[in-house]
Amino acid sequence: DADVTQTPRNRITKTGKRIMLECSQTKGHDRMYWYRQDPGLGLRLIYYSFDVKDINKGEISDGYSVSRQAQAKFSLSLESAIPNQTALYFCATSDPAGPDTQYFGPGTRLTVL
Amino acid sequence: TQLLEQSPQFLSIQEGENLTVYCNSSSVFSSLQWYRQEPGEGPVLLVTVVTGGEVKKLKRLTFQFGDARKDSSLHITAAQPGDTGLYLCAGEFGDGGFKTIFGAGTRLFVKA
Repeated sequence: DADVTQTPRNRITKTGKRIMLECSQTKGHDRMYWYRQDPGLGLRLIYYSFDVKDINKGEISDGYSVSRQAQAKFSLSLESAIPNQTALYFCATSDPAGPDTQYFGPGTRLTVL
Repeated sequence: TQLLEQSPQFLSIQEGENLTVYCNSSSVFSSLQWYRQEPGEGPVLLVTVVTGGEVKKLKRLTFQFGDARKDSSLHITAAQPGDTGLYLCAGEFGDGGFKTIFGAGTRLFVKA
């Protein structure tokens, strides 16, 4: 079984709709992240969490919110989706011990019409 | 602004050729990671380098961290179609707060 899972894998929605992307991990890591990936721009950090009570904005947090329900669960919400939020979204985890090696989920392809 | 620049952005080669891709920054990193991403999947770690001048080998892949810890290279010997994918580098800043940034990647296509 995959260590980091994301649901849904694909989603098509309309402008203005609220969307939630979910991430679960079995690696036992305290640190979790949400990124979006756009062609030519690489991975950009949306939000990150170092433990259940810790939430931090990344470089592109506007239009997004997150919830860390448990050590293993970290969800990303788009309160009112807009077309330029069409992208690949990845959840990742890391262990604070040692270098910041990140373990990624399979991604969610989100299309906002 | 802290940036990681990867070059080339795109590379198409024949099976059996050698290639090198680069990851450069003006910033110093406490560690640097290389990942490979295949279509429909998330990035998967290939290697982590932490010491300036460090060289690591993974089968036909050779990774080098620059002496000043600002740059890195990935060399692939005798490329195979299975090497096709997006290669991402990520640099970690050891300035006390969390800071890992990703390059935009090099997309490699190896033709049989």
